Order: sequence, then structure tokens, then C-alpha cells
Amino acid sequence: DGGITQSPKYLFRKEGQNVTLSCEQNLNHDAMYWYRQDPGQGLRLIYYSQIVNDFQKGDIAEGYSVSREKKESFPLTVTSAQKNPTAFYLCASSHRAQRLNEKLFFGSGTQLSVL
Amino acid sequence: SQQGEEDPQALSIQEGENATMNCSYKTSINNLQWYRQNSGRGLVHLILIRSNEREKHSGRLRVTLDTSKKSSSLLITASRAADTASYFCATDDLVMDSSYKLIFGSGTRLLVRP
Repeated sequence: DGGITQSPKYLFRKEGQNVTLSCEQNLNHDAMYWYRQDPGQGLRLIYYSQIVNDFQKGDIAEGYSVSREKKESFPLTVTSAQKNPTAFYLCASSHRAQRLNEKLFFGSGTQLSVL
Repeated sequence: SQQGEEDPQALSIQEGENATMNCSYKTSINNLQWYRQNSGRGLVHLILIRSNEREKHSGRLRVTLDTSKKSSSLLITASRAADTASYFCATDDLVMDSSYKLIFGSGTRLLVRP
């Protein structure tokens, strides 16, 4: 099945700890994205990548880092600098980045909580 | 940057009734998309309507777009309990040159009671 796989489904972070959320896609999409969703809110863009070895900051990049070493993979690290990390994190992909009429394909999300 | 705002924030209807959700945005757009999100899951794309289109259908979904009022509506006819979800509109926002990003609204939570 083609799609986007996020893992783990649930993740707990201790204070001062960095944690990494995994996102893998087999849709052969060039573009990948990370969004943060807080309860009852819409999605806010953290980072996006248009191509391997390239990524751009979104609206709320502070306290987060990403890498894009492979086309299929776009992991997100929530660093200790992110003081309010509790949220639902969604990974998405599209054929191309930042172009009109592109629809996004989403993973099933990771719920991150602070212990 | 512009953002779609859905109205109402929450909607509860009986199975078989129609559900209407509205989205308003601030500046001109090229297209508008609707997504659905089941609780604790990712979003699923439902429909895209371009700025030169006024209405679009997909199964039991009907989307309208009124660019003069900067608003769109999503109608789900003959609703089913399985339609219970949150529904989001998303509009394109010009970043630079021909580069765009999607801006999501805060969503309408729909509950369809059996």
C-alpha cells in the first residue's frame, strides 16, 4: 500500500530530552512537511522540504530540527529548546512543494506528551 | 497571512440530515481545499475548488465558492454516523514568486448522532 507512515503513535518526553519523530513515505513525492496541531486548532507548519538535502523553516520552527537525507524519510526532532512540545504532530507529503493545486497526503500522526 | 475560519466550530445533527460548514478567508485565493480528520488521525483530502469555479460535487459532498464574499461552504447530504469528524478548509498563501503554502483553518467538529 502506498502511503505515509509515522511512528511512534504515542511518545513521551522528559524535561531536557530531545525526541525524534519518524516519517516515511513510499509515494515517490518530492515534498514533505511537518505540522503541529494543538487541541481544537488548525495546523501550523513547522518545516518543509522540497527535495533531498534541502529544507525550509515554516511558521513555528523554533525548538525543532529536521533532516532529509533520503527522499522517503523526513524525521523531526523536538529539542529541549521547545518549551511547550505537547501536541499532535502530523507529517504530510505532496508531489511538489509550494505549488498551486497540490493536495497533501497525511500520516496518522504522533501524539507527543511531556512527562 | 490569510487564514480560513470555519463556522460553526461544532455541529451536532441527526443521521440523515444535511450538514453545512462554512469557511471564510481574508485575501484573494487561487483555490480552496477541504480536508477531513477523524479523531486522533491524519487529514484526508476531500475536494479542491478553483477560484473560477462556483460549485463542485463529489458523491454526497457539495462545495461552493463565493469569491466576492471570500467564503466557501461544504455540504454533506444524507449524513451518516461515519461522517463524524473534523472538517478543515485550507487556502493557498503566496510565499514568494510562484511559491505557495497551505493555510489551514481551525476546523468544524461534526457529530452525527445515530
